[in-house]
Amino acid sequence: AQTVTQSQPEMSVQEAETVTLSCTYDTSESDYYLFWYKQPPSRQMILVIRQEAYKQQNATENRFSVNFQKAAKSFSLKISDSQLGDAAMYFCAYRSSGANSKLTFGKGITLSVRP
Amino acid sequence: NAGVMQNPRHLVRRRGQEARLRCSPMKGHSHVYWYRQLPEEGLKFMVYLQKENIIDESGMPKERFSAEFPKEGPSILRIQQVVRGDSAAYFCASSPLSRTGPNSYEQYFGPGTRLTVT
Repeated sequence: AQTVTQSQPEMSVQEAETVTLSCTYDTSESDYYLFWYKQPPSRQMILVIRQEAYKQQNATENRFSVNFQKAAKSFSLKISDSQLGDAAMYFCAYRSSGANSKLTFGKGITLSVRP
Repeated sequence: NAGVMQNPRHLVRRRGQEARLRCSPMKGHSHVYWYRQLPEEGLKFMVYLQKENIIDESGMPKERFSAEFPKEGPSILRIQQVVRGDSAAYFCASSPLSRTGPNSYEQYFGPGTRLTVT
């Protein structure tokens, strides 16, 4: 079974600075997808960024980018130019490549942004 | 295009009562997933359904919990004889049928139903 580990329960960043959130996972599969979701106080799950395991290039979405290290099974999220609205819970998630398979989530990390 | 809809948003039940949570997937989506989020935890998979079929229920508790996704109408997650430990946020996600396209693997989440058992 796949597992996702987020070992940092909380992190804090100064507004406009850069922060990196860590995630590791365990799988025996070679093809899969990885995601970062944001959950603000409203509890709505918002997809931040996705990465296909077969792609060597790291995904980027505006201020968000990932460092995907397949051999190390590491998938960290970098948030540049942090904004107050970035404050939320962030969850790392894994999904097998099979059609419509379930997501496996980490426990999440609470990110606070200092003005 | 309306997103995934869940209702009610908040549900309070006394111990021993039944809870029914509803999920309407996005238009054109025929796959529904239910996840549960306990306080201070990540989301845990419960069940995956297609229209009229349960595909994967490996995350469902063996007793008191059931789910359906009828040909017409929303998907329903039903919890019988609720206990305090059932208090959690329950999320529904939907995805399209097709495996092709850049977003074929993406699950779109509803706003969740927060169940409180008193």
